[in-house]
Amino acid sequence: SQQGEEDPQALSIQEGENATMNCSYKTSINNLQWYRQNSGRGLVHLILIRSNEREKHSGRLRVTLDTSKKSSSLLITASRAADTASYFCALSSGNTPLVFGKGTRLSVIA
Amino acid sequence: DAGVIQSPRHEVTEMGQEVTLRCKPISGHNSLFWYRQTMMRGLELLIYFNNNVPIDDSGMPEDRFSAKMPNASFSTLKIQPSEPRDSAVYFCASSLGLGSNYGYTFGSGTRLTVV
Repeated sequence: SQQGEEDPQALSIQEGENATMNCSYKTSINNLQWYRQNSGRGLVHLILIRSNEREKHSGRLRVTLDTSKKSSSLLITASRAADTASYFCALSSGNTPLVFGKGTRLSVIA
Repeated sequence: DAGVIQSPRHEVTEMGQEVTLRCKPISGHNSLFWYRQTMMRGLELLIYFNNNVPIDDSGMPEDRFSAKMPNASFSTLKIQPSEPRDSAVYFCASSLGLGSNYGYTFGSGTRLTVV
């Protein structure tokens, strides 16, 4: 099973700025998901983008998927201190469980 | 729904002792997953069940680890005997199905410390 690789590993921005995180992978996928994990908590599902979709929005979140480049990006607009967390992309091929990357640690400074 | 419920939240035990972690998935979810999270290795899938049946336990690190799902509303992960290298946060997650077509709902995790 394959694992997505997030980039950067860590990101620090000022409140109000946009945050962009990327996920690259190696083989074909059905869908790709993004999750958030606050310190000391479980992961929370943010968004699922299907392989035939190029862009998806949810509130201040915008996810893109480029299957030709095998990459996805998560954009958080107008970031807030409460967005401070780790963000993970998760993939599976076929009917197998999700495999999570190592994550991007986002710090939003007030 | 209260979400995926894990217990205990924290467990400190001595090396060699048996540890049992518990999970109650979301009602109606037919897939259940056990993951382990460490700084070094990230999130690792240990075992998963579909309709209460274990499908793949190849992620279980050693024979010291075992998991059961006696019914749709309960699962356990047991480590016997425990070792310091088992120290990690163990997460249970449930979903409507396997693969990436469904989002997973995670519990709050059990932080295990083996001394």
